[in-house]
Amino acid sequence: EAQVTQNPRYLITVTGKKLTVTCSQNMNHEYMSWYRQDPGLGLRQIYYSMNVEVTDKGDVPEGYKVSRKEKRNFPLILESPSPNQTSLYFCASSLGRALDEQYFGPGTRLTVT
Amino acid sequence: AQSVTQLGSHVSVSEGALVLLRCNYSSSVPPYLFWYVQYPNQGLQLLLKYTSAATLVKGINGFEAEFKKSETSFHLTKPSAHMSDAAEYFCAVIKAAGNKLTFGGGTRVLVKP
Repeated sequence: EAQVTQNPRYLITVTGKKLTVTCSQNMNHEYMSWYRQDPGLGLRQIYYSMNVEVTDKGDVPEGYKVSRKEKRNFPLILESPSPNQTSLYFCASSLGRALDEQYFGPGTRLTVT
Repeated sequence: AQSVTQLGSHVSVSEGALVLLRCNYSSSVPPYLFWYVQYPNQGLQLLLKYTSAATLVKGINGFEAEFKKSETSFHLTKPSAHMSDAAEYFCAVIKAAGNKLTFGGGTRVLVKP
């Protein structure tokens, strides 16, 4: 089954404790992206990747890191999480560009206390 | 900067009534426009997209949207609401040749029996 998977689905952590949210797709997509969803703000793009070793900032990259060492994986790293990063995070992938239909993962709900 | 505005964070419609969700964009050049739907506790799913071909775009589940350059609008409609249409709907925009997807704040649709 074609899908985007994220782990963990739920995470509660404390300020400053480094964490990684994994994202994997099995569709051989080139484009991958991370978004955060906050009430009333819609989804805001954090980082995106056009292909292996090619990443770029979205609209809200501060406090986040990403890497794209393999085509299928695009982890999101929070090296020192803060409470304002409490949010619902989505990973998405598309065939080649943001213009193509993006397939979303199920989301990761992160709470930073 | 590219932006998109959705008028109305909540819309309530009766089953069988017209669904109209409003989206306006700001752009100096015609962008690419999208409507995505998010069902409860799920990721987003593409409903339809406008890529400068026909101005009336038909999507899945009976939805359609019309691109009106003079009004910088891309409103989403469905002639007859069904209970299964209860969800949150997001309008999104990409600048031509860009790779950043910018979402509106979302409109939550409630369908009354």
